[in-house]
Formats: sequence, structure tokens, C-alpha cells
Amino acid sequence: GAGVSQSPSNKVTEKGKDVELRCDPISGHTALYWYRQSLGQGLEFLIYFQGNSAPDKSGLPSDRFSAERTGGSVSTLTIQRTQQEDSAVYLCASSLNSRGNQPQHFGDGTRLSIL
Amino acid sequence: SQKIEQNSEALNIQEGKTATLTCNYTNYSPAYLQWYRQDPGRGPVFLLLIRENEKEKRKERLKVTFDTTLKQSLFHITASQPADSATYLCALFYNTDKLIFGTGTRLQVFP
Repeated sequence: GAGVSQSPSNKVTEKGKDVELRCDPISGHTALYWYRQSLGQGLEFLIYFQGNSAPDKSGLPSDRFSAERTGGSVSTLTIQRTQQEDSAVYLCASSLNSRGNQPQHFGDGTRLSIL
Repeated sequence: SQKIEQNSEALNIQEGKTATLTCNYTNYSPAYLQWYRQDPGRGPVFLLLIRENEKEKRKERLKVTFDTTLKQSLFHITASQPADSATYLCALFYNTDKLIFGTGTRLQVFP
């Protein structure tokens, strides 16, 4: 079946521009996560959605970052007024639910480069 | 805050040998511990999960152990192959609805 799909796979933009990253989770998965991975680093949690509950935004690094999940399915991560330190791979994952006994299924990420 | 330590140095082993990767954590033990594989340019792929009350879990050539006294999980790949070369991440779940990932250890299996 279809896995988690992320688009675009690569994004190059100028400093100060806004970017929007998209994630299509696996159908039926109620939990959706966004992570950031810098070169040679681990996964940094950004935000998490579970069903219709309010999202856990505790990992967002600044108010320039926001995310939505429409209809419990597709999610978009928006970065406003991008800075060079925002350059990283942004990964999305979904899981059946938010319990730790469920694996997370990842997309291949969006590689964001800020010039 | 919780810290997870994985060996940042790459592990180089010869084909056919057993690779052993380590995941150490501080403070209290997680309810679940998961292992993932990540290839360059790809997202992580789930491999195995072990619960707090389990000592060992196996899947084909993979084995995970979980020692809550040592605060350590070991990940073993037996009869390693060059195709096993990748970065392996451990992730801990603490009933906060979120996984905390380690930085991963890169494994290189050479013929």
C-alpha cells in the first residue's frame, strides 16, 4: 500500500521567503509527526497531531513555524521568513495511534536549503 | 531532561560477523524502545520494538535486548551483509505520545 508521501522532495529558497511543506500520511493513521534532521544529527521533534485533539507544538523552534492538519489527513508545515539555520531535512511520520507500541512510518523528507 | 546516547563513531565490521550497536539512556526507563534503520536520503524505517518488561526480541537476523538496570538496549545483526550498511537509530517512548530519538550509529559492513 501507499506509504507516507512528502512534497516537494527538495526546496531551495532565498532567506526571508516563506515555504510550505506537505505531508500525506498513510490512510487511517490518526497520529502525524513532523521532525527536523540537520546534517549528521538525530531527529528533532517539531509538532504532533493526534486525531481531533489540539496539536502538541512544544517542539516548534520559533513562532515562524506553524503546521496544520486538515480533515485529519494531509498536513502542511509552514516556515515564515526563512533563515539560513532553517536549512535541514524535514521529515513527516504517521502511526496508527500515538501509543508507543506502534511504529512510526516516515516519508523520505523535504530537503530545505535556504540561500 | 532525558538523554539518549548512541555511539557517534561509525562501526565497521566484516561481512558475516555480528554487529552490535548500543543505546544508553539516563533517568527513568521508557515504556517502549524502538529501533529504526535510515539510509542516506531516505526516512527512517521501523525495525523492532521492545517493551519495558521484555528482555529480548528477535526478528530474523535481528535481536534487541533491553536492560533497565543498565539503562541500555543492544541491537544485534547476525551474519551481517554489506546491505545492512546504514545508520541505526534508537527511539524511546515515555507515555508523552512522542518518541525521543538518538542521533544514530552508522554501520558499515565490508566484504
